[in-house]
Amino acid sequence: GAVVSQHPSWVICKSGTSVKIECRSLDFQATTMFWYRQFPKQSLMLMATSNEGSKATYEQGVEKDKFLINHASLTLSTLTVTSAHPEDSSFYICSAATDEKLFFGSGTQLSVL
Amino acid sequence: GNSVTQMEGPVTLSEEAFLTINCTYTATGYPSLFWYVQYPGEGLQLLLKATKADDKGSNKGFEATYRKETTSFHLEKGSVQVSDSAVYFCALSDYNTDKLIFGTGTRLQVFP
Repeated sequence: GAVVSQHPSWVICKSGTSVKIECRSLDFQATTMFWYRQFPKQSLMLMATSNEGSKATYEQGVEKDKFLINHASLTLSTLTVTSAHPEDSSFYICSAATDEKLFFGSGTQLSVL
Repeated sequence: GNSVTQMEGPVTLSEEAFLTINCTYTATGYPSLFWYVQYPGEGLQLLLKATKADDKGSNKGFEATYRKETTSFHLEKGSVQVSDSAVYFCALSDYNTDKLIFGTGTRLQVFP
């Protein structure tokens, strides 16, 4: 089946630094990728939808200047958490869409100290 | 707005026990309903789905029936295995936007 690779699987960083998370579709081209996050004991929440070559569409309440999304190719989307703070500590998951199916990465656990 | 509520985990069972993970939803229109499973170290995978009322989705021995009258989509399996240990997410697709709305996930731990 289709595979989505997400890296890193976990990252610890200092407050104020930026962290980049990569999401790659390994064996298919994804025109649309999605980014989710999940805080402890809460639902997996959609943050943004990105289409290759265009600006991402952010969900209400998600700061686009803080969570930079780049979808430069049909197989790669990146999420950069800029000037991370402890409240950004969360589990981030990407997914890629093809043929009306969604395939998910394994997630990135971000801990900001 | 649309939402999904599923039972808190972890659910701990012995092998061959019967499994039920409850999921209820709130939605306008007629959403499609899904169960996703996340095995350790892997991405979420679609386990089963149902697109209209009274539909039953099934896969790998798991079943869930779309119950409009009770707005539920409970996941069941008659005899769980250790390999079923994972996190299970209930989700619906928003009728207007097609976006997926997830529950909190329920961790299942099956012991031999």
